[in-house]
Amino acid sequence: SQELEQSPQSLIVQEGKNLTINCTSSKTLYGLYWYKQKYGEGLIFLMMLQKGGEEKSHEKITAKLDEKKQQSSLHITASQPSHAGIYLCGAGLGQGAQKLVFGQGTRLTINP
Amino acid sequence: EAGVVQSPRYKIIEKKQPVAFWCNPISGHNTLYWYRQNLGQGPELLIRYENEEAVDDSQLPKDRFSAERLKGVDSTLKIQPAELGDSAVYLCASSLHQARPPIGYTFGSGTRLTVV
Repeated sequence: SQELEQSPQSLIVQEGKNLTINCTSSKTLYGLYWYKQKYGEGLIFLMMLQKGGEEKSHEKITAKLDEKKQQSSLHITASQPSHAGIYLCGAGLGQGAQKLVFGQGTRLTINP
Repeated sequence: EAGVVQSPRYKIIEKKQPVAFWCNPISGHNTLYWYRQNLGQGPELLIRYENEEAVDDSQLPKDRFSAERLKGVDSTLKIQPAELGDSAVYLCASSLHQARPPIGYTFGSGTRLTVV
Protein backbone atom coordinates (compact mmCIF):
# COMPACT_ATOMS: atom_id res chain seq x y z
CA SER A 1 0.00 0.00 0.00
CA GLN A 2 1.07 3.55 -0.62
CA GLU A 3 2.46 5.38 2.43
CA LEU A 4 1.45 8.68 0.93
CA GLU A 5 -1.87 8.93 -0.85
CA GLN A 6 -2.49 11.72 -3.31
CA SER A 7 -5.89 12.68 -4.58
CA PRO A 8 -7.10 13.03 -7.16
CA GLN A 9 -4.85 10.92 -9.37
CA SER A 10 -5.72 13.07 -12.35
CA LEU A 11 -7.45 16.39 -12.76
CA ILE A 12 -8.69 18.29 -15.78
CA VAL A 13 -9.70 21.90 -15.23
CA GLN A 14 -10.62 24.85 -17.37
CA GLU A 15 -8.04 27.60 -17.60
CA GLY A 16 -8.71 30.22 -14.95
CA LYS A 17 -10.31 27.83 -12.47
CA ASN A 18 -9.00 27.04 -9.00
CA LEU A 19 -7.99 23.56 -7.94
CA THR A 20 -6.73 21.61 -4.94
CA ILE A 21 -4.55 18.50 -4.66
CA ASN A 22 -4.32 16.57 -1.41
CA CYS A 23 -1.58 14.44 0.12
CA THR A 24 -2.45 12.21 3.10
CA SER A 25 -0.37 9.98 5.35
CA SER A 26 -1.23 7.65 8.22
CA LYS A 27 2.05 8.64 9.89
CA THR A 28 3.38 11.93 11.15
CA LEU A 29 5.06 13.86 8.38
CA TYR A 30 8.60 15.09 8.98
CA GLY A 31 8.83 17.69 6.30
CA LEU A 32 6.51 17.74 3.33
CA TYR A 33 7.89 18.61 -0.10
CA TRP A 34 5.85 19.51 -3.16
CA TYR A 35 7.40 19.00 -6.58
CA LYS A 36 6.24 19.49 -10.14
CA GLN A 37 7.33 17.17 -12.94
CA LYS A 38 7.03 17.26 -16.69
CA TYR A 39 6.59 13.83 -18.27
CA GLY A 40 9.78 11.78 -18.08
CA GLU A 41 11.84 14.58 -16.58
CA GLY A 42 13.23 15.51 -13.19
CA LEU A 43 11.36 16.96 -10.25
CA ILE A 44 11.20 20.72 -9.85
CA PHE A 45 11.05 21.88 -6.23
CA LEU A 46 8.01 24.00 -5.39
CA MET A 47 8.05 24.35 -1.62
CA MET A 48 8.70 22.61 1.67
CA LEU A 49 6.57 22.65 4.82
CA GLN A 50 7.77 21.57 8.25
CA LYS A 51 5.51 22.84 10.97
CA GLY A 52 1.91 21.94 11.57
CA GLY A 53 -0.29 24.79 10.39
CA GLU A 54 2.44 26.16 8.13
CA GLU A 55 1.37 27.73 4.85
CA LYS A 56 3.57 28.87 1.99
CA SER A 57 2.81 30.56 -1.31
CA HIS A 58 4.69 31.00 -4.54
CA GLU A 59 3.00 33.00 -7.26
CA LYS A 60 -0.45 31.39 -7.58
CA ILE A 61 0.40 28.18 -5.73
CA THR A 62 -0.27 27.79 -2.01
CA ALA A 63 0.54 24.77 0.13
CA LYS A 64 -0.58 24.02 3.68
CA LEU A 65 0.41 21.43 6.25
CA ASP A 66 -2.39 20.59 8.64
CA GLU A 67 -2.09 20.98 12.41
CA LYS A 68 -1.67 17.27 13.07
CA LYS A 69 0.98 17.06 10.34
CA GLN A 70 -0.61 14.19 8.52
CA GLN A 71 -2.03 15.94 5.48
CA SER A 72 -1.04 18.64 3.08
CA SER A 73 -2.94 20.41 0.35
CA LEU A 74 -1.71 22.27 -2.73
CA HIS A 75 -4.00 24.94 -4.09
CA ILE A 76 -3.65 26.67 -7.45
CA THR A 77 -5.58 29.87 -8.04
CA ALA A 78 -6.64 30.97 -11.52
CA SER A 79 -4.91 28.08 -13.26
CA GLN A 80 -2.86 28.64 -16.42
CA PRO A 81 -1.57 26.27 -19.11
CA SER A 82 1.90 26.55 -17.55
CA HIS A 83 0.55 24.82 -14.44
CA ALA A 84 -0.03 21.58 -16.35
CA GLY A 85 2.13 18.65 -15.30
CA ILE A 86 2.46 16.04 -12.57
CA TYR A 87 2.45 17.18 -8.97
CA LEU A 88 4.18 14.99 -6.42
CA CYS A 89 4.26 15.20 -2.66
CA GLY A 90 7.23 13.71 -0.83
CA ALA A 91 7.68 13.40 2.91
CA GLY A 92 9.93 12.04 5.59
CA LEU A 93 7.89 9.46 7.47
CA GLY A 94 8.45 8.09 10.95
CA GLN A 95 11.73 6.37 11.63
CA GLY A 96 12.79 6.65 8.00
CA ALA A 97 12.55 10.40 7.88
CA GLN A 98 16.08 10.73 6.51
CA LYS A 99 14.71 9.99 3.05
CA LEU A 100 11.60 11.07 1.21
CA VAL A 101 8.84 8.73 0.17
CA PHE A 102 6.46 9.90 -2.51
CA GLY A 103 2.85 9.79 -3.41
CA GLN A 104 1.85 8.41 -6.80
CA GLY A 105 1.42 11.86 -8.28
CA THR A 106 -1.48 13.91 -9.61
CA ARG A 107 -1.59 14.58 -13.33
CA LEU A 108 -2.99 18.05 -13.99
CA THR A 109 -4.34 19.07 -17.38
CA ILE A 110 -5.42 22.64 -18.09
CA ASN A 111 -7.91 23.10 -20.92
CA PRO A 112 -7.85 26.48 -22.68
CA GLU B 1 25.58 27.05 -9.15
CA ALA B 2 24.94 23.82 -11.05
CA GLY B 3 22.20 21.61 -9.70
CA VAL B 4 22.28 17.83 -9.58
CA VAL B 5 23.70 16.68 -12.92
CA GLN B 6 22.76 13.36 -14.46
CA SER B 7 23.80 11.67 -17.66
CA PRO B 8 22.75 10.43 -20.07
CA ARG B 9 19.26 11.97 -20.40
CA TYR B 10 17.99 9.10 -22.50
CA LYS B 11 19.15 5.55 -23.09
CA ILE B 12 17.72 2.80 -25.25
CA ILE B 13 19.23 -0.66 -24.93
CA GLU B 14 18.36 -4.21 -25.79
CA LYS B 15 17.45 -6.58 -22.97
CA LYS B 16 20.35 -8.45 -21.39
CA GLN B 17 22.72 -5.57 -22.14
CA PRO B 18 24.44 -3.58 -19.37
CA VAL B 19 23.75 0.10 -18.74
CA ALA B 20 25.19 2.72 -16.39
CA PHE B 21 23.93 6.06 -15.14
CA TRP B 22 26.03 8.84 -13.68
CA CYS B 23 25.17 11.50 -11.12
CA ASN B 24 27.04 14.51 -9.77
CA PRO B 25 25.31 16.01 -6.71
CA ILE B 26 25.23 19.62 -5.57
CA SER B 27 28.57 20.65 -4.15
CA GLY B 28 28.64 20.12 -0.39
CA HIS B 29 25.68 17.75 -0.33
CA ASN B 30 26.93 14.67 1.44
CA THR B 31 23.74 12.62 1.02
CA LEU B 32 22.96 11.14 -2.39
CA TYR B 33 19.90 9.15 -3.42
CA TRP B 34 19.00 7.04 -6.43
CA TYR B 35 15.30 6.67 -7.20
CA ARG B 36 13.44 4.75 -9.86
CA GLN B 37 10.16 6.07 -11.21
CA ASN B 38 7.87 3.83 -13.19
CA LEU B 39 5.30 5.30 -15.53
CA GLY B 40 2.38 6.81 -13.62
CA GLN B 41 4.00 6.28 -10.23
CA GLY B 42 5.96 8.32 -7.74
CA PRO B 43 9.71 7.82 -7.34
CA GLU B 44 10.84 4.87 -5.20
CA LEU B 45 14.17 4.87 -3.40
CA LEU B 46 16.79 2.40 -4.58
CA ILE B 47 19.77 3.44 -2.49
CA ARG B 48 20.92 6.23 -0.18
CA TYR B 49 24.53 7.23 0.45
CA GLU B 50 25.97 9.20 3.32
CA ASN B 51 29.32 10.30 1.88
CA GLU B 52 30.74 7.09 0.38
CA GLU B 53 28.74 4.71 2.57
CA ALA B 54 25.53 3.08 1.35
CA VAL B 55 23.32 3.41 4.44
CA ASP B 56 20.05 2.22 2.90
CA ASP B 57 20.08 -0.20 -0.03
CA SER B 58 17.19 -2.39 1.07
CA GLN B 59 15.20 -1.65 -2.10
CA LEU B 60 18.08 -2.21 -4.53
CA PRO B 61 17.68 -5.45 -6.55
CA LYS B 62 21.18 -6.65 -5.86
CA ASP B 63 21.15 -9.51 -8.32
CA ARG B 64 21.39 -7.09 -11.23
CA PHE B 65 21.78 -3.58 -9.82
CA SER B 66 24.92 -2.11 -8.32
CA ALA B 67 25.94 1.37 -7.28
CA GLU B 68 29.07 3.09 -6.11
CA ARG B 69 30.14 6.45 -4.75
CA LEU B 70 33.84 5.89 -4.31
CA LYS B 71 35.01 9.35 -3.24
CA GLY B 72 31.79 10.48 -1.65
CA VAL B 73 30.95 12.86 -4.49
CA ASP B 74 29.62 11.57 -7.80
CA SER B 75 27.93 8.22 -8.15
CA THR B 76 27.24 5.52 -10.72
CA LEU B 77 24.25 3.18 -10.88
CA LYS B 78 24.60 0.08 -13.04
CA ILE B 79 22.20 -2.55 -14.30
CA GLN B 80 23.56 -5.81 -15.67
CA PRO B 81 21.81 -7.44 -17.38
CA ALA B 82 18.88 -5.16 -18.10
CA GLU B 83 15.35 -6.57 -18.31
CA LEU B 84 12.27 -5.18 -20.02
CA GLY B 85 10.79 -4.28 -16.62
CA ASP B 86 13.72 -1.97 -15.90
CA SER B 87 12.34 0.62 -18.30
CA ALA B 88 11.77 3.68 -16.12
CA VAL B 89 13.14 7.09 -15.25
CA TYR B 90 16.14 6.89 -12.91
CA LEU B 91 16.45 9.96 -10.73
CA CYS B 92 19.33 11.11 -8.61
CA ALA B 93 18.87 13.51 -5.71
CA SER B 94 21.09 15.05 -3.09
CA SER B 95 20.56 16.78 0.23
CA LEU B 96 22.67 18.73 2.67
CA HIS B 97 22.87 16.29 5.55
CA GLN B 98 21.08 13.56 7.39
CA ALA B 99 18.56 15.81 9.00
CA ARG B 100 14.94 14.96 9.69
CA PRO B 101 13.61 16.09 7.31
CA PRO B 102 16.44 16.26 4.80
CA ILE B 103 17.49 19.77 3.90
CA GLY B 104 17.67 21.06 0.37
CA TYR B 105 16.44 17.89 -1.26
CA THR B 106 17.17 18.49 -4.98
CA PHE B 107 16.63 16.24 -7.97
CA GLY B 108 18.48 15.91 -11.25
CA SER B 109 16.77 15.81 -14.64
CA GLY B 110 16.74 12.01 -14.65
CA THR B 111 17.72 9.34 -17.15
CA ARG B 112 14.89 7.79 -19.12
CA LEU B 113 15.79 4.17 -19.79
CA THR B 114 13.99 2.11 -22.42
CA VAL B 115 14.78 -1.58 -22.65
CA VAL B 116 13.65 -3.25 -25.88
